[in-house]
Parts: sequence; C-alpha cells; structure tokens
Amino acid sequence: DTGVSQDPRHKITKRGQNVTFRCDPISEHNRLYWYRQTLGQGPEFLTYFQNEAQLEKSRLLSDRFSAERPKGSFSTLEIQRTEQGDSAMYLCASSFTDGSYEQYFGPGTRLTVT
Amino acid sequence: AQKVTQAQTEISVVEKEDVTLDCVYETRDTTYYLFWYKQPPSGELVFLIRRNSFDEQNEISGRYSWNFQKSTSSFNFTITASQVVDSAVYFCALSVDYSGGYQKVTFGTGTKLQVIP
Repeated sequence: DTGVSQDPRHKITKRGQNVTFRCDPISEHNRLYWYRQTLGQGPEFLTYFQNEAQLEKSRLLSDRFSAERPKGSFSTLEIQRTEQGDSAMYLCASSFTDGSYEQYFGPGTRLTVT
Repeated sequence: AQKVTQAQTEISVVEKEDVTLDCVYETRDTTYYLFWYKQPPSGELVFLIRRNSFDEQNEISGRYSWNFQKSTSSFNFTITASQVVDSAVYFCALSVDYSGGYQKVTFGTGTKLQVIP
C-alpha cells in the first residue's frame, strides 16, 4: 500500500496527558499537511511542511501543539497537556510541491480526551 | 482571507435522481486552485477533481460533472443518476500558493448527501 498512513488510528487519553501521532506520506511527495476535523465540520488546516521545513502554522496550533518532520519523510504531531477540546480527528495529507496538486489524505487518528 | 461556503448542509435524493452540490469561494488572489473531495462513512477523504483559476472549462467524468464560473465564484458539482454508493460528505476546498512557498488551504463545511434506494 503506497498511500498515506497514520498511526495510531484511535487514541483515548486522559486530560493532561501528552499524545503523539505519526504520519507517513506518499514517498514522492514533498509536502505534508496536518488538519483537524471535528464532527460536522470540514478539515481545518493546522500546519504544513515542505520537505523538513515547517512553512506555515495556523493560529489553531496553540503552544501545546508541535509538529516535526525531521528528515523530510514521516512527521509527528504532539499535543501536550491534552484538553477535552482537543478531541477530534487529526488528518494528515501529502502532495507534490505546489498548490496545484491534489492532497492525498490518510485515514486519520481519532483522539478522544476524557 | 480565503473562504469556502457550502450552503447545503444535507441533501437527500432518491436513487437515480440528479443532484447538484454548491460551492462558493472567496479569494483576492488571481491564482488559486479548487478541489472537491468525498468523505464516505469510512472517514478517509478521497480526491475527486482539481481546477486552477485559469481553466474555466467544465469537466465531466462518468456520472460526475463540475461547473466552474469565475464570474459568480462558484464551483458546483453535479452527480447524474445518483447511486447509493454516492452517499457521503462532499467537501469543496480552495488552495492559494504564495511566494516563498507558503500555502493556504481552506475547506468548506461539507454537504452530506444521502441517496435513498
């Protein structure tokens, strides 16, 4: 399977705990994106990388959120001191370099904060 | 700022009916890209089509067709002879590339389509 993969698919955590999600993009893709999707809403852009450089961060990405893509391949998204409001589906997507190319999405990680 | 509006929250049609999903966008940029994605109950977003701002040609792919009109800032999606498998949430999205490699991607809130057998 050469699509975008995400791990884990589901995560249940208690408020205040830290969580980390992983995304493996399609290997030929330079760009990698993170989105958050809550029930009944479209994906909300969080951040994106071009190779290993993080080029854009949304205001939605508070100080508790950090993303990395250390070698320009896989990426991690960490949420520190989780809050109930962080409960959502976290989607990863990848694409070729410029915005003219469609993004291919992974299956997402569903986070539930209790 | 970019904005994508999908005014139709939910639509129900009977199988074999035609249905059009509306998408209206706002941007001040002259170069931009428009997309439609399908999100079936399984949850994974599936790419359907991409259009750039310089290409207003309509496109047909099987039962799917798209109508792009810059004059009304609309990029509507029509499914002809709908089938139960078309039941999903459909998202319209707008992408703008800025110099220096910055990109802004905005999704609409989606239209949930239910096709009744």
